Amino acid sequence: QKEVEQNSGPLSVPEGAIASLNCTYSDRGSQSFFWYRQYSGKSPELIMSIYSNGDKEDGRFTAQLNKASQYVSLLIRDSQPSDSATYLCAVRGGGSQGNLIFGKGTKLSVKP
Amino acid sequence: GAGVSQTPSNKVTEKGKYVELRCDPISGHTALYWYRQSLGQGPEFLIYFQGTGAADDSGLPNDRFFAVRPEGSVSTLKIQRTERGDSAVYLCASSPGERGIQETQYFGPGTRLLVL
Repeated sequence: QKEVEQNSGPLSVPEGAIASLNCTYSDRGSQSFFWYRQYSGKSPELIMSIYSNGDKEDGRFTAQLNKASQYVSLLIRDSQPSDSATYLCAVRGGGSQGNLIFGKGTKLSVKP
Repeated sequence: GAGVSQTPSNKVTEKGKYVELRCDPISGHTALYWYRQSLGQGPEFLIYFQGTGAADDSGLPNDRFFAVRPEGSVSTLKIQRTERGDSAVYLCASSPGERGIQETQYFGPGTRLLVL
């Protein structure tokens, strides 16, 4: 059974702080990793993807991947109240096609 | 360009009834996915199409669920003899189908199904 684990939260950070979201996965053959943001009542929206070990930065977002530890994380710098949402970690197994396996999501609350 | 669209946005039905949920993927995307999301959970995979054929239907929970994509574009998810436990948000996603490990799925707004 391939699994993706996330701390469900809620994670509460003050405005301007760094929010750190973590995810572990069970399938060592996984090659593609994604972070989706989901506002309440809305569908998932892709914010970051990462495929190789190390860091990938895009604006205020940094994704980090460590395949040896089967760990992927998302850092949000200068957190804003508009970042308050549920963040879903998703993993795709070996191969370019096929479904994503999602964690349950971490609910982030950024307090003004 | 237009994103993934899904209709209806909401569907209320009675236990035992038949429902159809429609997904229109991003133009040119050959891969199409159906997921189901229950409250407080992440999306759960149901079925994946590459073109017209179902490449992986291992996520369909039982034989009451069926999906088609006859012309390789629009897809319909069909649920027979609905049960209260089928109540969830049904999400459709599409992807280009040609980007290797960087293949990225884009989600539609979902159909919220409530079975009374």
